Parts: sequence; structure tokens; C-alpha cells
Amino acid sequence: GENVEQHPSTLSVQEGDSAVIKCTYSDSASNYFPWYKQELGKRPQLIIDIRSNVGEKKDQRIAVTLNKTAKHFSLHITETQPEDSAVYFCAASPMGAGNMLTFGGGTRLMVKP
Amino acid sequence: NAGVTQTPKFQVLKTGQSMTLQCAQDMNHEYMSWYRQDPGMGLRLIHYSVGAGITDQGEVPNGYNVSRSTTEDFPLRLLSAAPSQTSVYFCASRPGSSGSYSEQFFGPGTRLTVL
Repeated sequence: GENVEQHPSTLSVQEGDSAVIKCTYSDSASNYFPWYKQELGKRPQLIIDIRSNVGEKKDQRIAVTLNKTAKHFSLHITETQPEDSAVYFCAASPMGAGNMLTFGGGTRLMVKP
Repeated sequence: NAGVTQTPKFQVLKTGQSMTLQCAQDMNHEYMSWYRQDPGMGLRLIHYSVGAGITDQGEVPNGYNVSRSTTEDFPLRLLSAAPSQTSVYFCASRPGSSGSYSEQFFGPGTRLTVL
């Protein structure tokens, strides 16, 4: 089955700096890679996703890059704000009926004002 | 739409007790799944369903049963609770269609403590 590793487990940045979270996956059949944000005591919510036919995707201050050859993908947050503080999870899945997400272990991002 | 709902929000059980965590969605999603979230370990898939009457095991199925008699409901049963099942449980759903992927929506979670 799929195995997803996520680094770092904690990340502290100053407000306005950039933050980068990296994930690697093991199953070359995986071709869908979402990122979820989870605030304390809340449910995970999708913030951005990327499919394997795309190398990069951007949505305002958030971008995701994918390197299929190396089997890794990254989340980039620019101009961080205190409200970006949360736990971020990457995930991977093959497309197709019944395929479910395998999650990384999470990164706790702290943005200091 | 209420989205994905879960009950109860909190539950305390004694070792050996059984209970059912409820999950319902009103988005007519085919796919539903249960995850547990332990500190520092991310979300791990327990069981999932690709449609009414169809269920399958995920990464950590032992000690749990599921059934899917309707599209809307996907209950998770703990047969004989153990302290190792202390966790936060999330139900999730997404539309199903062959060959494509779509956003997975999570419920608010159930925090379970087994003493």
C-alpha cells in the first residue's frame, strides 16, 4: 500500500515569511495529492490539491509542486499570517473507484506575529 | 445542506463496552470512510464504502465493524472497546465516479476515550 512521509513535524516562522512543507510517497500509481488544514479542535479542510498531470498549482498565497520522478510534493505558503497557524496534512491516492487517501503525519505550523 | 454530521461529539467508555458512532451525509455522496486521528500520527483509514451494501477494510480495521445500508448513513461499531481505541474519529464522504477524484469532506469528529 501507499506510504506518505511528511516533514517537518513542526515549523515556526515569523509573520510575512514563507513556509514550505514536504511530503514523499511510495506508490507510483498515486496521482492525486491534496493538502488539508486542520485548526485546533476542528475538522480537516481541503486547501489545495494537485493531480499528476500538473507540476505546479497556485491559489493566492498557497502553491503546491509535484515531482513525480522523485515521488515528492510540497506545499508553499508565502507571506504567512497568524491565521495560517494550524496543522497541515498531505495525502496521496491513486485515482479510480474505491481508492482512499493515505495521509502524512502532519506538520504543526506556528506563525509568530 | 448539513454536509457530514457525526454523533456523539464526545464519548467515554469503559474497557469491554460496545458502542456505535453515527455518521450521516446529505450530499448524495457514494463514497464514505472512517478515519482515526491519534496525536502525531495523522489520519489512518479504518473502513470505507464505495456505495450502499459495499464496504472494505482500510489500514487499521481490527476492533471495528461497519455497514452501509443506505447512501446517507455509515455507522462505525466498536465491538469491545479497548484503551488503544482512544482517539478522535472522523467520518468523511466524497462523490464517487469512475476514474476521477473529488474533494473529500470531513465530519466534525467524535472524541472517544476508553478507560
